Amino acid sequence: GNSVTQMEGPVTLSEEAFLTINCTYTATGYPSLFWYVQYPGEGLQLLLKATKADDKGSNKGFEATYRKETTSFHLEKGSVQVSDSAVYFCALFAYGQNFVFGPGTRLSVLP
Amino acid sequence: EAGVTQFPSHSVIEKGQTVTLRCDPISGHDNLYWYRRVMGKEIKFLLHFVKESKQDESGMPNNRFLAERTGGTYSTLKVQPAELEDSGVYFCASSQESSGSPLHFGNGTRLTVT
Repeated sequence: GNSVTQMEGPVTLSEEAFLTINCTYTATGYPSLFWYVQYPGEGLQLLLKATKADDKGSNKGFEATYRKETTSFHLEKGSVQVSDSAVYFCALFAYGQNFVFGPGTRLSVLP
Repeated sequence: EAGVTQFPSHSVIEKGQTVTLRCDPISGHDNLYWYRRVMGKEIKFLLHFVKESKQDESGMPNNRFLAERTGGTYSTLKVQPAELEDSGVYFCASSQESSGSPLHFGNGTRLTVT
């Protein structure tokens, strides 16, 4: 079946550091890929998405590129802020099936 | 527009008791999903409603879990009787379409079974 693997956390960075959270997937066909973020005390929010190979999703300074050849969708941000502290979930959707989520990666950004 | 709302936000019950979780989706969203995250692991699919019909309930763990969506509006998820392993965060999500439209999540209900 379809699956998503994320790097294990927690990830602790200093403010203004560069962030990468790795995500790889296994799926049949051509899924759409998503990053969701959960801030403390809140539900999951869509951060960005990409629907086909080589698409780049971007939002709030975060970027991720759909790499079919490496089945990856790594999340990056050039300069993190304390307000980016949250849990990040990589997810995929394949037509006719349901969303599949990774285990989440907790990010803590220190001032 | 109002988002997806879930009630209660927290619930602590004893093993063997019954708990009912409620989800109000975004108005006009026919698709409603229940997910669960146990022990900080991945968010797992439980079931999917399209309006009042169960489209897919393959993720329901056992017959102690019962989900309903009478009238195609809000949904309830009942756990009866609750077991220790049912502890976790239960998320509800809704979407306009089921073909990969982004899901809109509620804040979740944290269930603790003691």
